[in-house]
Amino acid sequence: AQSVTQPDIHITVSEGASLELRCNYSYGATPYLFWYVQSPGQGLQLLLKYFSGDTLVQGIKGFEAEFKRSQSSFNLRKPSVHWSDAAEYFCAVSIGGSQGNLIFGKGTKLSVKP
Amino acid sequence: KAGVTQTPRYLIKTRGQQVTLSCSPISGHRSVSWYQQTPGQGLQFLFEYFSETQRNKGNFPGRFSGRQFSNSRSEMNVSTLELGDSALYLCASSLVGIVVRNTEAFFGQGTRLTVV
Repeated sequence: AQSVTQPDIHITVSEGASLELRCNYSYGATPYLFWYVQSPGQGLQLLLKYFSGDTLVQGIKGFEAEFKRSQSSFNLRKPSVHWSDAAEYFCAVSIGGSQGNLIFGKGTKLSVKP
Repeated sequence: KAGVTQTPRYLIKTRGQQVTLSCSPISGHRSVSWYQQTPGQGLQFLFEYFSETQRNKGNFPGRFSGRQFSNSRSEMNVSTLELGDSALYLCASSLVGIVVRNTEAFFGQGTRLTVV
């Protein structure tokens, strides 16, 4: 069955430090993969998506993610975290190529220490 | 341009009642999807509509239903509310509903439903 696993429920990093959020997926075909961010009381905002081609994907707000088929992973990275990055981050996989039918991981809550 | 608009933002209902939530997609978008977000289960897909047709449905009981109108606005209805239906209901709209390189799904801020 298709699934997305985010092993880390909560991560705390210091402002200015680097960040890596892990995501593993299970999907039979070539996946379309997404990272979304959700601030408290808000909807989801797309950070980036893997569609095809380059395995290193650049997104908004200085985020990037690397698709590794051999490891079934799509980890999100940022070289230097800002206090405004504190939020919850969700990894998702598209089912059947649908933009609207996504399976989400349980999310990773990011806290940023000053 | 205006984003995805969900109304109402907050709702309190009593067990056994029914509720209707509304979603107005971005102008020109023809696909609308609905998700339920709870602390325990996370984000779960409810259903997806494209041009007034339900294209996909998640694993929810028949109490959950939806529809899409000719102007692409969508409603979802939950009948015979249970305490466990308390959640944030999110709507997302996209241009064509399939993953293509230069499009994305945009989410509304959600409707917070509390069942007492």
